[in-house]
Amino acid sequence: QVQLVQSGAEMKRPGASLRVSCQTSGYTFTSNYMHWVRQAPGQGLEWMGRIDPKRGDTKYARRFEGRVAFTRSTSLNTFYMDVSRLRSEDTAIYYCARGQLGGRESPLDLWGQGTLLTVST
Amino acid sequence: QSALTQPASVSGSIGQSITISCSGTRGDIGSSNFVSWYQQSPGKAPKLLIYNVYSRPSGVSPRFSGSKSGRTASLTISGLQTEDEADYYCNSYTDDNTFLFGTGTKVTVL
Repeated sequence: QVQLVQSGAEMKRPGASLRVSCQTSGYTFTSNYMHWVRQAPGQGLEWMGRIDPKRGDTKYARRFEGRVAFTRSTSLNTFYMDVSRLRSEDTAIYYCARGQLGGRESPLDLWGQGTLLTVST
Repeated sequence: QSALTQPASVSGSIGQSITISCSGTRGDIGSSNFVSWYQQSPGKAPKLLIYNVYSRPSGVSPRFSGSKSGRTASLTISGLQTEDEADYYCNSYTDDNTFLFGTGTKVTVL
């Protein structure tokens, strides 16, 4: 079955770090870019960036550069998103989303179930 | 980069047609044919509805159609049904090699 399964909900203190995983199955891991998108409570979708599964090349939205890092494990067919120096404004649902077969501009055709992050004292 | 601009809400009666606009700039919609639309029902992950301006993934109803003129893209829902109540987001590839989402539109079926 073609799917993306993300790690569970997290609660963090301000200043802490977070890792979210996105395990893929049912398709060739290296064939599609993986993107990360977040959605704050009651707000819209925000594209965070993408990773090339073959070479590990990344591209981040400007506002996340330096604080977010995407990696992958080809042996585990899993992608990871690390976020450092968390603040309350990072409270959101984080989605991994697969790029359709093609290039980095391909649309997001498969989504994970989302990981809720709550940042609070 | 600011989000693409969409109306906050659009409503229509069952069977009617509605159109959601998505306004961008020369650096995104104005220079890209990689415009897509996503449907998000409450508590669910988004679903791809339209890509490359007007293409539909298999399984998506032909009642959904996309278009683009200049710096504005549009999503039209024909024959509105109750299950179309959801939030809709446009998205464009940009000349910065990034993606940019719209502000989102809540569709209400009266």
